[in-house]
Amino acid sequence: DQQVKQNSPSLSVQEGRISILNCDYTNSMFDYFLWYKKYPAEGPTFLISISSIKDKNEDGRFTVFLNKSAKHLSLHIVPSQPGDSAVYFCAASAAYGGSQGNLIFGKGTKLSVKP
Amino acid sequence: SAVISQKPSRDICQRGTSLTIQCQVDSQVTMMFWYRQQPGQSLTLIATANQGSEATYESGFVIDKFPISRPNLTFSTLTVSNMSPEDSSIYLCSVAEGTNTEAFFGQGTRLTVV
Repeated sequence: DQQVKQNSPSLSVQEGRISILNCDYTNSMFDYFLWYKKYPAEGPTFLISISSIKDKNEDGRFTVFLNKSAKHLSLHIVPSQPGDSAVYFCAASAAYGGSQGNLIFGKGTKLSVKP
Repeated sequence: SAVISQKPSRDICQRGTSLTIQCQVDSQVTMMFWYRQQPGQSLTLIATANQGSEATYESGFVIDKFPISRPNLTFSTLTVSNMSPEDSSIYLCSVAEGTNTEAFFGQGTRLTVV
């Protein structure tokens, strides 16, 4: 059973517009969430994270929103640029329990930003 | 952020053989992880390798198939043993300084078993 779900395998956005990538989770023990970007033939690159004590974290063009009651988080990229085209992975971890420090990943969403 | 080097970056191996993947970090790190990404799938944790203790394997992964070494705080190896085509995946090394901190990844090893 997938604990972290990214239901959209792909997303296409026009350059300059907003990209919204969504992620849902099922494990209420998760208290730390991360987004990674992955280009072909490279390892995932850390993008932004959020702790469960917050509902928003912003870093430049990237903002992550967390809705704990809905067990949902989203990554907003604005404005989107062609260089943002990559696969984006949502990940979650729990400080306590059997998986301390381990990241549980979603299947990823492939973002294409068109010029 | 830590710089992580993985070797080899890719390999094509015969079934029944074994491959050892190396992960070198440019700084001492507490936690090292090995992940697998099968085609079209998410990254799945194989095991956690902390220096000074036995690797901890996730459900579905066993030491006989994926032996891991962690001789010091900057290096680890993962061996994929007695390979079959189902082992064809990208294998990724990852490091983190602690719980609930960002993890950094190597570039991955693309393994094809024929």
